[in-house]
Amino acid sequence: AQTVTQSQPEMSVQEAETVTLSCTYDTSESDYYLFWYKQPPSRQMILVIRQEAYKQQNATENRFSVNFQKAAKSFSLKISDSQLGDAAMYFCAYRSGETSGSRLTFGEGTQLTVNP
Amino acid sequence: EPEVTQTPSHQVTQMGQEVILRCVPISNHLYFYWYRQILGQKVEFLVSFYNNEISEKSEIFDDQFSVERPDGSNFTLKIRSTKLEDSAMYFCASRGGGIEAFFGQGTRLTVV
Repeated sequence: AQTVTQSQPEMSVQEAETVTLSCTYDTSESDYYLFWYKQPPSRQMILVIRQEAYKQQNATENRFSVNFQKAAKSFSLKISDSQLGDAAMYFCAYRSGETSGSRLTFGEGTQLTVNP
Repeated sequence: EPEVTQTPSHQVTQMGQEVILRCVPISNHLYFYWYRQILGQKVEFLVSFYNNEISEKSEIFDDQFSVERPDGSNFTLKIRSTKLEDSAMYFCASRGGGIEAFFGQGTRLTVV
C-alpha cells in the first residue's frame, strides 16, 4: 500500500519570505500523481499544485512550485513571497495512475503560519 | 465554475441515530468519493463509487456505512447508527476523466 509522510507538523515563515514543505511517499508503482492541497480554517480542500510522475519537469503555479525527486520519492512544495493568506494546513497526497478511479492517500499535514 | 456541493454544512445528531450526508458532484463526472477528517488528523479515504457501484472501500467503511446515487445527480453517504467516534468532517469529491478530484466544502458531523 502506498504511504505519504509529512515530517513537519508545523512550519512558520515571515511574510514575503520563502518556505519549503517536505513530503515523501512510498510506492512500487511507476505511474502516479502527486498533489498538494491547502486547507484554510474553513476546512475546504483546495488544490494548490499537481505533478504527474512521468513528467521530469517540476510543476509551477505562480508562487508555488515543487521539487519532485522521483528516485528519492520526495515531493516538496516551495512557496515564494509568502502571503498572510497562505497560512493554512497543507496536505501532500498521492494517487495511483494504474487503477482508474483510485483514491487519494494523504499525508498527516503541515500547519503553516505566516508571520507579518 | 462548476463545483461540488455538500449539504448540510453542519449536522448534529444523537448517538445511535441515522444520518444522511448529501453531495451533488460536478455534472458529467464519473468517479465519486467520500473522505473523512477527524479534527486535527489527516484526511482518510472512505469509499469510491463508479458506474453505480462501489469500486473501492477502506477498512473504516464498515456495515454501518452505505453510499447511494439515487437519482443520477445526488451522491449520499448514510451512517446507520452513529457513534461518538463518527464525529468528523466528511468530504465528498468527484472526478471526471482528468487527473484532479474536486472537493466539496465538507459537512461537519457532530455526534452527541
